[in-house]
Amino acid sequence: SQTIHQWPATLVQPVGSPLSLECTVEGTSNPNLYWYRQAAGRGLQLLFYSVGIGQISSEVPQNLSASRPQDRQFILSSKKLLLSDSGFYLCAWRSILAARYEQYFGPGTRLTVT
Amino acid sequence: DAKTTQPPSMDCAEGRAANLPCNHSTISGNEYVYWYRQIHSQGPQYIIHGLKNNETNEMASLIITEDRKSSTLILPHATLRDTAVYYCIALNSGGSNYKLTFGKGTLLTVNP
Repeated sequence: SQTIHQWPATLVQPVGSPLSLECTVEGTSNPNLYWYRQAAGRGLQLLFYSVGIGQISSEVPQNLSASRPQDRQFILSSKKLLLSDSGFYLCAWRSILAARYEQYFGPGTRLTVT
Repeated sequence: DAKTTQPPSMDCAEGRAANLPCNHSTISGNEYVYWYRQIHSQGPQYIIHGLKNNETNEMASLIITEDRKSSTLILPHATLRDTAVYYCIALNSGGSNYKLTFGKGTLLTVNP
């Protein structure tokens, strides 16, 4: 069966510090991968999605970036965090054989920027 | 994507069926109805989706009315672990958009 991992589970970082969140998927090949953010009291916001290694599409211009160095690895990064980057970061995957919006989410990383 | 309307909250007794309604009166012919849920402090969880036929999987059943203007998600034997916010979304199957967006959903509380 397929499993998605995210780490760390929680993170507290000062403003201006760098960020690296990692997501890996097991049990599937060539998945579509997604990074979402869910801010407190707000809805789900798609940040990046990837249909293959090195292929990243950005939905929202901001100080975050994403990379997909391996088929089942998706990384979210920032060089300098802002207070507004606080939120619940979720990685998701989808099988290319599945319905378009049948996405499976990881446990999330709760980021607090202080 | 069509707008969906759900009650803000519902209660259900443990072991009973939970029937969660969703109105999507402006849904178009190529829009699917998807259901997700989010347990507190966890990532969202895909439950089920359908176009016009009723669907069932190991988690739930989805009943879509013949005119497709509304649907009901049924959890046949609710447990305390089913307490969550349930989201009903109508999404176009075509195009290049993969973006999931949730509305306010229904907070289902399963009581012992």
